[in-house]
Amino acid sequence: EVQLVESGGGLIQPGGSLRLSCAASGFTVSSNYMSWVRQAPGKGLEWVSVLYSGGITYYADSVKGRFTISRDNSKNTLYLQMNSLRAEDTAVYYCARGGAAQGFDPWGQGTLVTVSS
Amino acid sequence: QTVVTQEPSFSVSPGGTVTLTCGLSSGSVSTSYYPSWYQQTPGQAPRTLIYSTSTRSSGVPDRFSGSILGNKAALTITGAQADDESDYYCVLYMGSGIWVFGGGTKLTVL
Repeated sequence: EVQLVESGGGLIQPGGSLRLSCAASGFTVSSNYMSWVRQAPGKGLEWVSVLYSGGITYYADSVKGRFTISRDNSKNTLYLQMNSLRAEDTAVYYCARGGAAQGFDPWGQGTLVTVSS
Repeated sequence: QTVVTQEPSFSVSPGGTVTLTCGLSSGSVSTSYYPSWYQQTPGQAPRTLIYSTSTRSSGVPDRFSGSILGNKAALTITGAQADDESDYYCVLYMGSGIWVFGGGTKLTVL
């Protein structure tokens, strides 16, 4: 079964750092495009970042320079390193396979990040 | 920056047909934007319905269809059912690796 499980969310103070993980099963992360999408409380979906199978990365302007997407092939896991966190980064963060013509599928269950003092 | 537009809300009667749209604040949506559609109910992760304009994701009933209508991408639901009441999001590829979601449409079935 193809599945994604996120972890690493929590409460963090403004200016702090957090690393999210997304463990994949049923497919190989390094052979696919992988993305992070977030959803602020009561708001819509916002694409955050994509990591291509070839290693190229792209970011939304709202996180560029602060967030870094990466993967560990040995663990079949995707990561999102989030630095200089702001209150507006508060959201449920979903990882998803995709970021290409095939859209985003499947999605993980999400992990909540709350940035507050 | 280009904004992806969706109707904030829509209402359909049970058994009826509804078409939700996904446009651009400037310009027209074409298949080159690889529009895809997602259904989300409160507290749940999004579910993929349509990708690459009109390809249904695995397990999605054929009541859901995608197309380009005029200058927008469109999601049509025929024979609406009560459990179709959800938020629907489209996303477009803007080039240079960048994707932008629309603001979502809240669909009510009543």
